[in-house]
Amino acid sequence: AQKITQTQPGMFVQEKEAVTLDCTYDTSDPSYGLFWYKQPSSGEMIFLIYQGSYDQQNATEGRYSLNFQKARKSANLVISASQLGDSAMYFCAMREGYRGSTLGRLYFGRGTQLTVWP
Amino acid sequence: DTGVSQDPRHKITKRGQNVTFRCDPISEHNRLYWYRQTLGQGPEFLTYFQNEAQLEKSRLLSDRFSAERPKGSFSTLEIQRTEQGDSAMYLCASSLVSSAVESSYNEQFFGPGTRLTVL
Repeated sequence: AQKITQTQPGMFVQEKEAVTLDCTYDTSDPSYGLFWYKQPSSGEMIFLIYQGSYDQQNATEGRYSLNFQKARKSANLVISASQLGDSAMYFCAMREGYRGSTLGRLYFGRGTQLTVWP
Repeated sequence: DTGVSQDPRHKITKRGQNVTFRCDPISEHNRLYWYRQTLGQGPEFLTYFQNEAQLEKSRLLSDRFSAERPKGSFSTLEIQRTEQGDSAMYLCASSLVSSAVESSYNEQFFGPGTRLTVL
């Protein structure tokens, strides 16, 4: 089974509008972390936002917020006030394990290509 | 520039040749990770090191692949007898993991990647 599922291959949004990128995850570990990364055409993975499984509040970082619904196992990324520079591939990722564990690999989804148009 | 660096950025080789990639992590980071990303996919985990110890290897890391981190600083990833299916972007990431900080955060910082094309 896929650990991370991103069902939107591509999304389009007009500049200054908000957009939600979907992510669902699958784990039996009670402790885990969820990440969103941005990958521009240059290829480098840029960290955007993190949500821990025990965090009570949804994470926010500037124009990025994470809509964390634990019971539904979803961690959608919301980008407010989209900018042309937001056009890129966006990946949701998960790491399992927390206290005392190995804190190793990230599991990535297949990504969503976001295009922001003027 | 104090980020993660990778060399070379691009590599074209013929099938059957050996190739070696290098990754220089952020200097104080004790963890180093290798991922592979093929076209249209997200990165897939290959292996990671804590200092010089290789702690986990994916099943994707066949016996043609070997990774080292001899002094706990830079790392190399070697692919022997390359195949066309090895064509991909190879990403390196590093993080600082401290037993004093119990958190699953420990953000991984990625390098620009090495794009391998096997002809």
